[in-house]
Amino acid sequence: QTVVTQEPSFSVSPGGTVTLTCGLSSGSVSTSYYPSWYQQTPGRPPRTLIYTTNTRASGVPDRFSGSILGNKAALTITGAQADDESDYYCVLYMGSGSWVFGGGTKLTVL
Amino acid sequence: QVQLVESGGGVVQLGRSLRLSCAASGFTFSSYGMHWVRQAPGKGLDWVAVIWSDGGEKYYADSVKGRFAISRDNSKNTLFLQMNSLRAEDTAVYYCARRLIGTNCFDYWGQGTLVTVSS
Repeated sequence: QTVVTQEPSFSVSPGGTVTLTCGLSSGSVSTSYYPSWYQQTPGRPPRTLIYTTNTRASGVPDRFSGSILGNKAALTITGAQADDESDYYCVLYMGSGSWVFGGGTKLTVL
Repeated sequence: QVQLVESGGGVVQLGRSLRLSCAASGFTFSSYGMHWVRQAPGKGLDWVAVIWSDGGEKYYADSVKGRFAISRDNSKNTLFLQMNSLRAEDTAVYYCARRLIGTNCFDYWGQGTLVTVSS
């Protein structure tokens, strides 16, 4: 069973830059996995940020960007703001009609 | 605007069944694949099932295969999840989510409906 890995937690200073990653327990993440990223605050549904590796969803500020860094997908937040403090999830398409979410990263802005 | 509204959640006993619905509006429902994704209390997101736009293909997470069934009624713009033989570990908020055309990603999400399986 392939596991999608994310950092459990991360902190960033206001105005700073942070890169969250999304990897595989075995193998490398490529664009073929259609990596996408979602932001969630407690009690709210997820909000789509990035799809197909690096395309921003409608209304998402350009300080959020997606990429492949080495063998992982990455979400970079440039100029972090207080309201970026959220949980961030990636999901990978594993093929054959199967998707797997990472465990999520709790981002603290302080 | 795109809206997805889940309903049907509630408290159900171990081993019983429940049917969730997701009413879609603001887009051509029959053109989009649809997913169910769940989130146990205090835990992360967990993909459950997907159905193709015409209902012709359906896929499930191993954890629900054989117990849950996804379906849709394109004439009523509604997605369903029939959940049988419910277990305590099925307790979660269940979200429906739209599959973005041409990708294997999700774009719009509903607000979710809470299912609590009690003994």
